[in-house]
Formats: sequence, structure tokens, C-alpha cells
Amino acid sequence: DVKVTQSSRYLVKRTGEKVFLECVQDMDHENMFWYRQDPGLGLRLIYFSYDVKMKEKGDIPEGYSVSREKKERFSLILESASTNQTSMYLCASSLAGGVVNEQFFGPGTRLTVL
Amino acid sequence: GDSVTQMEGPVTLSEEAFLTINCTYTATGYPSLFWYVQYPGEGLQLLLKATKADDKGSNKGFEATYRKETTSFHLEKGSVQVSDSAVYFCALSVNTDKLIFGTGTRLQVFP
Repeated sequence: DVKVTQSSRYLVKRTGEKVFLECVQDMDHENMFWYRQDPGLGLRLIYFSYDVKMKEKGDIPEGYSVSREKKERFSLILESASTNQTSMYLCASSLAGGVVNEQFFGPGTRLTVL
Repeated sequence: GDSVTQMEGPVTLSEEAFLTINCTYTATGYPSLFWYVQYPGEGLQLLLKATKADDKGSNKGFEATYRKETTSFHLEKGSVQVSDSAVYFCALSVNTDKLIFGTGTRLQVFP
């Protein structure tokens, strides 16, 4: 059974803290993605990685960075958390290339910044 | 730029009713189209897809037809169940591994 796992389901942090969200996939996928999901806005892409140590900014990268040191692991970093980063964060992975590659999603991390 | 527009929810139906969730898109190239579903407390999972005009994607009783002339990919099901209650996302990709999602439509089905 293919899986994308995220380190926490719920997280509460304080303004200004450095926050790490971890994502691991066991499908040997080249691509990994971080999205945030907000009511009325759908899913918005924060960052995309297409290989180890390779990354590309998505639509809303401001205030975030990422790290991909190993193929199976993709980390999202909030350098200095702010209240407007309170959201649901979803990680996904997919194969690269081809016509259509399904993205597989983790269960999400609901982050609250106080 | 490329975008997806979905009907706003929530859509509230009784069990066994007919479902339509509208999705239209704007794309500069020839997109592939997807419907993803998010059940309560879970991540998204692919429901169905279509890669070219007039293709019909289907799964679990749901169907959607890629209509190039109307730039639409409406989701339909003939008889919904309580277990279909979820949030449904329409999405597209154009010559890339990245997806562009709509805002999602919440479906609530009551017995």
C-alpha cells in the first residue's frame, strides 16, 4: 500500500518560532510537493521538488523554505512563524515525466500559530 | 494564466439523488483534467482523470467528460450515498507535473 506520511497531524506554535514539517514517501517518487489548504482558496502550491536537492518555487513561497536531502523526504520550513501561516499543510508525491502522473497525498498537518 | 473554477458549496443532497458538480477551466495549452476527493480527516486522493478532449473518466460510479468546446469537466453521479460526503476538487495540468486546483466543493449527503 503506497504511502505518504506527515510527521504531525496537529501542531501549535508561537509567533516567531522556526517550524519544521516533515513528509516521507515510500514510492520512490521523483516529485514531491508542499501545498497549503485554506477555506475558499483551495490548494495552493508552496514549493515543488523534482529531484534530491532540486526545488522550484510555487505560487506562494514567501515565508517558507524547503529541504530535500534524500529522495524520500521533503521538509517544509517556516523560518519565523506568523499567525497568517495558520493553515492545513498537505504534502504530495508523484512520478516524474509521462502524460499524466497521479499525485499521492499525505493526511495533512493542521498548524496553528498563536 | 491557467485556472480552474468550481461551483461553490456546500451541495446538500438526499441519498440516491443525482449529483452534478460544475467545473470549468482556462488553459493556454491542452490540459489534462482531474477530480480529486478529500474525505473528512484525510488527504486528497485521485477520483478520476481525462487526458484529451471527449475522454470520459469514471470511478466508483462517478463520471466526468472532457468537453473542449465548453472548457468543462463536470462531475456526475447517478445516485449518491452518505459515504460520498466529502470535498471534491477539480484540477488541471498543462505539460507539467504540477497541478492547478479549484477551490473545492463540499458535498453533504443525508440519509
